[in-house]
Amino acid sequence: QKEVEQNSGPLSVPEGAIASLNCTYSDRGSQSFFWYRQYSGKSPELIMFIYSNGDKEDGRFTAQLNKASQYVSLLIRDSQPSDSATYLCAVNAGGTSYGKLTFGQGTILTVHP
Amino acid sequence: GAGVSQSPSNKVTEKGKDVELRCDPISGHTALYWYRQRLGQGLEFLIYFQGNSAPDKSGLPSDRFSAERTGESVSTLTIQRTQQEDSAVYLCASSLGGVNQPQHFGDGTRLSIL
Repeated sequence: QKEVEQNSGPLSVPEGAIASLNCTYSDRGSQSFFWYRQYSGKSPELIMFIYSNGDKEDGRFTAQLNKASQYVSLLIRDSQPSDSATYLCAVNAGGTSYGKLTFGQGTILTVHP
Repeated sequence: GAGVSQSPSNKVTEKGKDVELRCDPISGHTALYWYRQRLGQGLEFLIYFQGNSAPDKSGLPSDRFSAERTGESVSTLTIQRTQQEDSAVYLCASSLGGVNQPQHFGDGTRLSIL
């Protein structure tokens, strides 16, 4: 069973702080990793994607991938109340699972003023 | 530009009825995916279409569920003899295809079975 695990939270951070969201996956052969943001009652919105070990930065967001340890994280700098949402980690294992994403349960992030 | 379009946005039906959900992918996207999200839960993969290849149906929960796609255009997800446990948001996504291509989601169809 290929699994993606996230802390459900809620994770609460003050405005302006760094929010750190973590995700682990069980399939060592996984090839690509995605972070989605989902506001309540809305559909998932792509935030970041990463394929190679290391860091990838886009504005206030940094994705970090460590394939040896099988974890991927998302850092949100200068957190804003508008960042309050559920963050979904998704993994594409490739191989016979070529097309589908396996999602974690999501981490609820609350940024308080 | 136009994103993934799904219809209807909401559907309420009685147990035992059949329902058909529609997804229009982003133009040029060869891959199309259906997921289900029950209330308070994560996304469950249902089915995946890539071009003219045979679809990956490995996530369909029962033979009451089926999906079709004509070429690289619209897809329909059909649920026959609906049950209350089918109540969920059904999300469609599309991508350029390939394991590294991100999937972009539509707004979903909220299905409620009475």
